Amino acid sequence: GAVVSQHPSWVICKSGTSVKIECRSLDFQATTMFWYRQFPKQSLMLMATSNEGSKATYEQGVEKDKFLINHASLTLSTLTVTSAHPEDSSFYICSARVPGQGDTIYFGEGSWLTVV
Amino acid sequence: EDKVVQSPLSLVVHEGDTVTLNCSYEVTNFRSLLWYKQEKKAPTFLFMLTSSGIEKKSGRLSSILDKKELFSILNITATQTGDSAIYLCAVEAGQAGTALIFGKGTTLSVSS
Repeated sequence: GAVVSQHPSWVICKSGTSVKIECRSLDFQATTMFWYRQFPKQSLMLMATSNEGSKATYEQGVEKDKFLINHASLTLSTLTVTSAHPEDSSFYICSARVPGQGDTIYFGEGSWLTVV
Repeated sequence: EDKVVQSPLSLVVHEGDTVTLNCSYEVTNFRSLLWYKQEKKAPTFLFMLTSSGIEKKSGRLSSILDKKELFSILNITATQTGDSAIYLCAVEAGQAGTALIFGKGTTLSVSS
């Protein structure tokens, strides 16, 4: 079964609004989670590393004020796309390292965001 | 700059064919190499490789790592239409706990 759960799977929002995506670790504690985005027919691009109890570490070129990441607990990280624009439409995926399983990194189911 | 290069970028084969997907990398402080299969949603884990020369196998899929030559291959034998997907290679490098570095993926299409 899934070890990392992401919600929602699909979301459509209007330009200018904000959207929150949740990433939960199931049955394990994740001090670090990773957020990626993926455009059609392209690979995953790391956006930021989410650290429990501290600020996220953003990759170069990713606007931290636009993509707000909160990792308030050991099982939940959230990504909020603020003032969304159509160019933010993408597939957003979170991942976490699962301890005790060779430290393999597992992905959430992903969230399709469409901004209209 | 760390990088992961996959080849070919796309591949079309017939059912029953055997395919080999390639992944080469240049990273600092290599830790592991992972293969994922991505269909319509998030990637699903296939293999994690840390040691050279040890083949990992799961059904018709197998993979091996060469840390001297800095590459890995993913083999799929007797391909089926359900194998059609994007295969992603990712490398974990640097300090423990850092994010994966992904290649651009190989899009495999298996026709019946």
